[in-house]
Amino acid sequence: NAGVTQTPKFQVLKTGQSMTLQCAQDMNHNSMYWYRQDPGMGLRLIYYSASEGTTDKGEVPNGYNVSRLNKREFSLRLESAAPSQTSVYFCASSHRYNEQFFGPGTRLTVL
Amino acid sequence: AQSVTQPDIHITVSEGASLELRCNYSYGATPYLFWYVQSPGQGLQLLLKYFSGDTLVQGIKGFEAEFKRSQSSFNLRKPSVHWSDAAEYFCAVVLNQAGTALIFGKGTTLSVSS
Repeated sequence: NAGVTQTPKFQVLKTGQSMTLQCAQDMNHNSMYWYRQDPGMGLRLIYYSASEGTTDKGEVPNGYNVSRLNKREFSLRLESAAPSQTSVYFCASSHRYNEQFFGPGTRLTVL
Repeated sequence: AQSVTQPDIHITVSEGASLELRCNYSYGATPYLFWYVQSPGQGLQLLLKYFSGDTLVQGIKGFEAEFKRSQSSFNLRKPSVHWSDAAEYFCAVVLNQAGTALIFGKGTTLSVSS
């Protein structure tokens, strides 16, 4: 099992460009999440999907959109990237109430 | 609102010495609590979790944590630290009633000196 996979691993964008971060899990988990990690801020939840077909905002959803494509895949889209979105993005998945399994992260720089 | 506080941003411990990392939470109901570890350039790995029952929980890599409701704390401990334990440690609590999202503390960076 690959667990949680994320693509790409690194990305550099110019301000105003758009991109989609991809995430997939092969553990048959119902719930999936997108976090961003910034120095001194810990992990902050952007969006989550409790089950296929549902999505909800987390702490910092502004500037992002998500799509739960199917049970395996949960994508994060930046429509118009801003320098404030420079961060490391982590995708995670879990069964309800249980531990979250994290992907390796995507390091995004917006110039 | 639910919150998690890790009072120590950075701790340095000598190899072989004991370790305690502090975590305080604010949550209106019975909390579900977690400790995660992140090595440099890596994702997060679960060390241990508390849902109910015995307030002293054992985790991987020789870590344990004790839930104290009266102090709203869930401190992480290890009796003898190894150099490979150097990493960032995060405490987390369930965000909502559905139990489907976590809120994380800002993390404690552990350095191990020889």
